[in-house]
Amino acid sequence: AQSVTQPDIHITVSEGASLELRCNYSYGATPYLFWYVQSPGQGLQLLLKYFSGDTLVQGIKGFEAEFKRSQSSFNLRKPSVHWSDAAEYFCAVYGQNFVFGPGTRLSVLP
Amino acid sequence: GAVVSQHPSWVICKSGTSVKIECRSLDFQATTMFWYRQFPKQSLMLMATSNEGSKATYEQGVEKDKFLINHASLTLSTLTVTSAHPEDSSFYICSAKKTGVGTIQYFGPGTRLTVT
Repeated sequence: AQSVTQPDIHITVSEGASLELRCNYSYGATPYLFWYVQSPGQGLQLLLKYFSGDTLVQGIKGFEAEFKRSQSSFNLRKPSVHWSDAAEYFCAVYGQNFVFGPGTRLSVLP
Repeated sequence: GAVVSQHPSWVICKSGTSVKIECRSLDFQATTMFWYRQFPKQSLMLMATSNEGSKATYEQGVEKDKFLINHASLTLSTLTVTSAHPEDSSFYICSAKKTGVGTIQYFGPGTRLTVT
């Protein structure tokens, strides 16, 4: 069975600081990996995805993520956070079906 | 782009009534659509997979007679919550996959259902 964990329920960073959101997955083979962002009361927007190839993937809004097979991780990073990045972030894995992690809520201090 | 819309965005209904939520892919065809449920401050839980022209596949624990899904065309899937109760109040999100193209799901904006 596939599963996704996001160890951090809530993270607070100052505007301009760097950000890393953690994601670990469990799946027997190499899955497809995704990061989505959800603003309050809104649907989900795809930030980036990994299918194969280069393990460092670039996404929208200045986000990037690195796939590390040895650690079963797909952590999301951004070098400088903006106040508009405050939202809920979901890591998801597609193996046999789509499974979402529990989410990490990001707060940004001015 | 790949835009998915949902209607209505917010609905309030009384206990015992039924409510229909529409999910449309506006600029692409979607053989497969998905329905998710999201409780406050929680993740999305897949309820069912909707395939155009065939019966939906429901996840374990989801009552198919309560959550009726119809996918009558390549751009429209509907979810009907029958005999709604307050515990059905939730945020319902649909997603759609482009026909024949990969695994990426495009998500709608969600529908907030409140049952009084």
